[in-house]
Amino acid sequence: DGGITQSPKYLFRKEGQNVTLSCEQNLNHDAMYWYRQDPGQGLRLIYYSQIVNDFQKGDIAEGYSVSREKKESFPLTVTSAQKNPTAFYLCASRKYGTSGSIKGETQYFGPGTRLLVL
Amino acid sequence: KNQVEQSPQSLIILEGKNCTLQCNYTVSPFSNLRWYKQDTGRGPVSLTIMTFSENTKSNGRYTATLDADTKQSSLHITASQLSDSASYICVVSAGGGNKLTFGTGTQLKVEL
Repeated sequence: DGGITQSPKYLFRKEGQNVTLSCEQNLNHDAMYWYRQDPGQGLRLIYYSQIVNDFQKGDIAEGYSVSREKKESFPLTVTSAQKNPTAFYLCASRKYGTSGSIKGETQYFGPGTRLLVL
Repeated sequence: KNQVEQSPQSLIILEGKNCTLQCNYTVSPFSNLRWYKQDTGRGPVSLTIMTFSENTKSNGRYTATLDADTKQSSLHITASQLSDSASYICVVSAGGGNKLTFGTGTQLKVEL
């Protein structure tokens, strides 16, 4: 987990409500990622950001939004358009390595936020 | 479609015993393969990472192997401990580090 924090640990959402999950890293990492984890499925990429003020959709971006105003922060908003938001959400970050460096491809994960719908 | 399949889905072993987890992948172009350990309710932690040219990598009691020809990897755990109880996830990168394909994991339980 070290250096990447996610809050809150548990989050409850009411019908029609938008909620925001926080992800902060003090590792000076360049790229940040949001994943969703459901039972019996592999992690799926929601959004990722390679630099400040830029981000790209992942495989399941519908119903989610992100921002990257600071290098250290990459909050995820789960909007009311996401009809099945109950899941474990994981944030990750990665430091770009030197050319050919394998270390530059390792993503480090935060502790996760479990989102439940009331 | 890029896929990573892991087996078995779950496994129970006695403390002190060894075990081997399997990972088969169809990811192209292949860049590297890594194994993560995920404790319940926590984020995954990287154990090993291997490139095309590496066929074995160790991290303490964990040893990963890679056969790039058959597109198979294994994770061998030696002298298991109760703290090894976790989900072990195989992850394959198609290059660039941004797009990873995750397996569904093997849930390992170590008992007394």
